[in-house]
Amino acid sequence: QSALTQPPSASGSPGQSVTISCTGSSSDVGGYNYVSWFQQYPGKAPKLIIYDVTKRPSGVPDRFSGSKSGNTASLTVSGLQSEDEADYYCSSYAGSNNLVFGGGTRLTVL
Amino acid sequence: QPQLVQSGTEVKNPGASVKVSCKTSGYTFINFGINWVRQAPGQGLEWMGWISAYNGDTKYTQNLQDRFTMTTDASTSTAYMELRSLRSDDTAVYYCATSFKDRSDRCYYWGQGTLVTVSS
Repeated sequence: QSALTQPPSASGSPGQSVTISCTGSSSDVGGYNYVSWFQQYPGKAPKLIIYDVTKRPSGVPDRFSGSKSGNTASLTVSGLQSEDEADYYCSSYAGSNNLVFGGGTRLTVL
Repeated sequence: QPQLVQSGTEVKNPGASVKVSCKTSGYTFINFGINWVRQAPGQGLEWMGWISAYNGDTKYTQNLQDRFTMTTDASTSTAYMELRSLRSDDTAVYYCATSFKDRSDRCYYWGQGTLVTVSS
């Protein structure tokens, strides 16, 4: 299966909102409500911040929210803070226990 | 709190094999699965495969399935991955991450990563 498509970069000023897209197909993003988002700092393991399209694990600020329309999922970070500067990856279940990741988006807080 | 602790850095020659362990604690091992994910230097995350610790079911990504094997040992709550016939483009940080026991998604808890360098 092909990797999901994410923009390589995104940016916003502190306090603003930024949305990162994740485009797949009807075989993955569009076919299942099993999209996850991960935050990764340099040299660190990824951290799950959104699962099942819209759900947040305990401890993840509600500034992070997820949504999906058709074959495209989105992560919105509201009220940007400097600590949000990181790489963000989406993943989607693709059936038959296949999983696919997006290429990643580097978020810069200006 | 679940924890996944991976084995240490490996340096291998091209053509060799590497085996990475992922020792888990803080949850009932056989009630979950394990995904293996790798990240080449400066690159994104690549899903390699999934194994159910409950029944041993596996799913391998197509481009690795000929030289990649995942196993689990319930007696020690440890998952293993072995990659054979190593090439320079296998140089990466390898991660294990928990999943459902019957579905590969939701990589909730992650190991710290194991750097595997393939170089002559």
